[in-house]
Amino acid sequence: ELKVEQNPLFLSMQEGKNYTIYCNYSTTSDRLYWYRQDPGKSLESLFVLLSNGAVKQEGRLMASLDTKARLSTLHITAAVHDLSATYFCAVEHSGTSYGKLTFGQGTILTVHP
Amino acid sequence: SAVISQKPSRDICQRGTSLTIQCQVDSQVTMMFWYRQQPGQSLTLIATANQGSEATYESGFVIDKFPISRPNLTFSTLTVSNMSPEDSSIYLCSVGPTGDTQYFGPGTRLTVL
Repeated sequence: ELKVEQNPLFLSMQEGKNYTIYCNYSTTSDRLYWYRQDPGKSLESLFVLLSNGAVKQEGRLMASLDTKARLSTLHITAAVHDLSATYFCAVEHSGTSYGKLTFGQGTILTVHP
Repeated sequence: SAVISQKPSRDICQRGTSLTIQCQVDSQVTMMFWYRQQPGQSLTLIATANQGSEATYESGFVIDKFPISRPNLTFSTLTVSNMSPEDSSIYLCSVGPTGDTQYFGPGTRLTVL
């Protein structure tokens, strides 16, 4: 059974600081997603990571994937208030369960002035 | 990319009744999924709905409680039957993988009294 664990679950940051959210998963996967969810809203796709060593960056967010360690990170650089949201990683199943996603618990990020 | 709409966006229902949620996609897709997000929680996959075959349900979810239809490649419905307050959640449909990511609909916020 695929399990996905995120940490931390709650993150309170000051504007301008850097921090990293970690996503560990238990079995081999070909694809890992990062999503953002604002209160009362649906999921916004941030990154799709397809291969070992993949690194993607968009603005102040950078995501990486280490398939050997079964670990993905979401790094936040010089946080701003607009980044306050809940961030989920989701791991795509392989084989006969292809396409299904198992989500981490989510990290609630609050950025303070 | 794929644009997904859901109806209704929210509803308040009485215990013991049923609600059917519609999911419409602006392009033909093979794989559609239904997820549930309970208050303050992450997303859990309910079932996979592929056109031309019966929906496949995840552990803990049964067809009698969550019947699903998939009449064509752009549309699906999820019914929440014989509702109880524990069914109060956000229900989201998703499609994919579609080449770049998996897209989620805006969600249906259900409250059962």
